[in-house]
Amino acid sequence: GESVGLHLPTLSVQEGDNSIINCAYSNSASDYFIWYKQESGKGPQFIIDIRSNMDKRQGQRVTVLLNKTVKHLSLQIAATQPGDSAVYFCAEKVAGTYKYIFGTGTRLKVLA
Amino acid sequence: GAGVSQSPSNKVTEKGKDVELRCDPISGHTALYWYRQRLGQGLEFLIYFQGNSAPDKSGLPSDRFSAERTGESVSTLTIQRTQQEDSAVYLCASGSGLAYNEQFFGPGTRLTVL
Repeated sequence: GESVGLHLPTLSVQEGDNSIINCAYSNSASDYFIWYKQESGKGPQFIIDIRSNMDKRQGQRVTVLLNKTVKHLSLQIAATQPGDSAVYFCAEKVAGTYKYIFGTGTRLKVLA
Repeated sequence: GAGVSQSPSNKVTEKGKDVELRCDPISGHTALYWYRQRLGQGLEFLIYFQGNSAPDKSGLPSDRFSAERTGESVSTLTIQRTQQEDSAVYLCASGSGLAYNEQFFGPGTRLTVL
């Protein structure tokens, strides 16, 4: 199938360690942010979202942090597992529109 | 229920031919998006449909690209006179149309222009 992320920045972590994936977003007017996971040959899959009126949101094993001052978004994955290996994208929604801007992605490799 | 489906999953065509890509969104979803994803890159917005509103076509790269949507159901993305640089995965996503709700993606159509 299609190979995603051949030339993307890569983060390699040991199984069981925590992972932090970063994203710099582009528009200070963006009011909603989503992290997606994309496995090879598949469409992106929703992981977690956050609105601009929040700084932090937690899900199951994942946490998203938003720093609006520096336009930075991060995804933290606790106790990383082999199944977490994928390309991760952040997406921002520009306020007043339904248009989403996607980041270039980060490839996460989990080492056994 | 069923997710977003796209067809064909793979399409190989010759330069200069026209292609049509199909997207079946999740039933009841009023919002529908098309994206292009070149190898090793992020998603590039192409077009957005929301209910009966005029579509946002601001991402279409040239007049060779067009898309239609029938009501709140099927959408087709048409690329005329394909070029080699059109080779990519074309992803469709649908959503509830609310301001702060996720998009659900289909598996994509991989287009290869020879």
